[in-house]
Amino acid sequence: GENVEQHPSTLSVQEGDSAVIKCTYSDSASNYFPWYKQELGKRPQLIIDIRSNVGEKKDQRIAVTLNKTAKHFSLHITETQPEDSAVYFCAASTGQAGTALIFGKGTTLSVSS
Amino acid sequence: SAVISQKPSRDICQRGTSLTIQCQVDSQVTMMFWYRQQPGQSLTLIATANQGSEATYESGFVIDKFPISRPNLTFSTLTVSNMSPEDSSIYLCSVRGGVVYGYTFGSGTRLTVV
Repeated sequence: GENVEQHPSTLSVQEGDSAVIKCTYSDSASNYFPWYKQELGKRPQLIIDIRSNVGEKKDQRIAVTLNKTAKHFSLHITETQPEDSAVYFCAASTGQAGTALIFGKGTTLSVSS
Repeated sequence: SAVISQKPSRDICQRGTSLTIQCQVDSQVTMMFWYRQQPGQSLTLIATANQGSEATYESGFVIDKFPISRPNLTFSTLTVSNMSPEDSSIYLCSVRGGVVYGYTFGSGTRLTVV
């Protein structure tokens, strides 16, 4: 089955800096790669996703890149703000009916002002 | 995207007892997924529930401990049986939103076993 590795487990940056979180996956059939942000006591919230027919996707300060050959994808947050502090999870799925998301172990991002 | 109502939101239970968690979706979905999130950890898939058939469990999870029901295309329950403190976690249900691929999560059930 799918296995998703996520690095780093913790990341501390100064406000205004960029943050990058990287994930690798094992199943070459995976073609859907979402990123979730989870604040303390809340459910995971989708912040951006990418499908295998796209190499990069941006949404304001957030971008995701995908390298299908190398089986890795990354989350980039620019101009970080204290409210970006949270746990971020990457995930992968084949997108087929009946296929669940498999999550990485998460990255705790701390943005200090 | 689908909206999921999950309840209870939290509970404190005595060891040896069972708790049933419910998820109601506002649209018909083929599959529902149940996850466990232990304190400070990631989401781990427990099982996939399809209407009209037995759920498919991931390695490390068994039906006797986590029985699942899926009576129709909008509802599912997960029971945590014979609970021990190690079962203290957040339990979440999730559905996949059709061809858009997006997955939606319930608000979670925070379970504490004492």
